[in-house]
Amino acid sequence: AQSVTQLGSHVSVSEGALVLLRCNYSSSVPPYLFWYVQYPNQGLQLLLKYTSAATLVKGINGFEAEFKKSETSFHLTKPSAHMSDAAEYFCAVSDQEDTGGFKTIFGAGTRLFVKA
Amino acid sequence: SAVISQKPSRDICQRGTSLTIQCQVDSQVTMMFWYRQQPGQSLTLIATANQGSEATYESGFVIDKFPISRPNLTFSTLTVSNMSPEDSSIYLCSVWDRPFTDTQYFGPGTRLTVL
Repeated sequence: AQSVTQLGSHVSVSEGALVLLRCNYSSSVPPYLFWYVQYPNQGLQLLLKYTSAATLVKGINGFEAEFKKSETSFHLTKPSAHMSDAAEYFCAVSDQEDTGGFKTIFGAGTRLFVKA
Repeated sequence: SAVISQKPSRDICQRGTSLTIQCQVDSQVTMMFWYRQQPGQSLTLIATANQGSEATYESGFVIDKFPISRPNLTFSTLTVSNMSPEDSSIYLCSVWDRPFTDTQYFGPGTRLTVL
């Protein structure tokens, strides 16, 4: 069964600094990897998705993630943090089941704080 | 992308009562899911509700406590029965948008507080 680990429950950066949120998945390569963002009192918004078409995936709001099979990682980055990036970020792995459906497993989440 | 709405957006309920949460999608989808997000926690899958079949529940969740209906390809309900304070959570509806974007989308959630 797939699993996903997010390193660091809290990350704090200064405005304008690099954002790096770490995510590692279990050893078997999943069909899909996602990053979602959750702002306070809201649902999950898709940031980006990996589907094996390209190892570097660009998402919304200036975020991107690189799939590294050798490291079983899918870390999320943004060159310059903005105050509006403060939120909870979830890495997720989706695998196809024998029934043809999909099951998604979520990491524990990383809360990003942005200091002025 | 699929746009999902949920009703109610929040509710405060008394112990022992039940609440039914509605999920409406703006397109026809086969795969629909219900998640629970306890305060400060990640998402836990409650069940998968595919149209035309019985809902499939994850370990730790049972139909008597969380009955689900899926009458068509755009709508589902989740009932939280005989509630206790431990059921206080955000409940999220989600769909897998196939064959169009092959992406999972989420509704805004229902914030439930049980007193």
